[in-house]
Amino acid sequence: GAVVSQHPSWVICKSGTSVKIECRSLDFQATTMFWYRQFPKQSLMLMATSNEGSKATYEQGVEKDKFLINHASLTLSTLTVTSAHPEDSSFYICSARDSQISGANVLTFGAGSRLTVL
Amino acid sequence: GNSVTQMEGPVTLSEEAFLTINCTYTATGYPSLFWYVQYPGEGLQLLLKATKADDKGSNKGFEATYRKETTSFHLEKGSVQVSDSAVYFCALSGNSGNTPLVFGKGTRLSVIA
Repeated sequence: GAVVSQHPSWVICKSGTSVKIECRSLDFQATTMFWYRQFPKQSLMLMATSNEGSKATYEQGVEKDKFLINHASLTLSTLTVTSAHPEDSSFYICSARDSQISGANVLTFGAGSRLTVL
Repeated sequence: GNSVTQMEGPVTLSEEAFLTINCTYTATGYPSLFWYVQYPGEGLQLLLKATKADDKGSNKGFEATYRKETTSFHLEKGSVQVSDSAVYFCALSGNSGNTPLVFGKGTRLSVIA
């Protein structure tokens, strides 16, 4: 079945540094990927829609200059948290839909990346 | 806009008990409905789905029926196991194009032996 890989799974960084999280669709092409953020004991909040070859679409309240998204190929999207601060500590999850499959909008999720900013 | 409301947890059950996790939704048009499961330390996995009214999704003993008249998609399992302990998310999406999922807040289930 479809597999989405996220890397790194865990990352700890100092305040003020930038962190890049990769999301790869391993066995399918994804023209669109979605980035979510999950706070402890809460649901997933959609941050942005990543579109291959074009700019990402950000949800209201998400700072595009802080959360840089690049979708350079059909199998890779990256999320860069710039100048990270402790309040950016969270669980970031990406998801993708196989472009070749029609019908129900089934998304495959990565295992998530836990970011801790000291 | 679209939204999903699911019962708050945590839910604690004994092994072999019956499970129901309620989920209701608000949406325009005819969304697809999903249940995702997140086991400890892991990402989300699709548990089951239904794409139209009266469809029943089922997997691993779990079932949910798409009820348009009550805008509900309740998750049920007749006999839970310890291995079912996880967080369960109800979600919906539109059927047009690449639509992101809208999630409920999740319900944590703990099954004790």
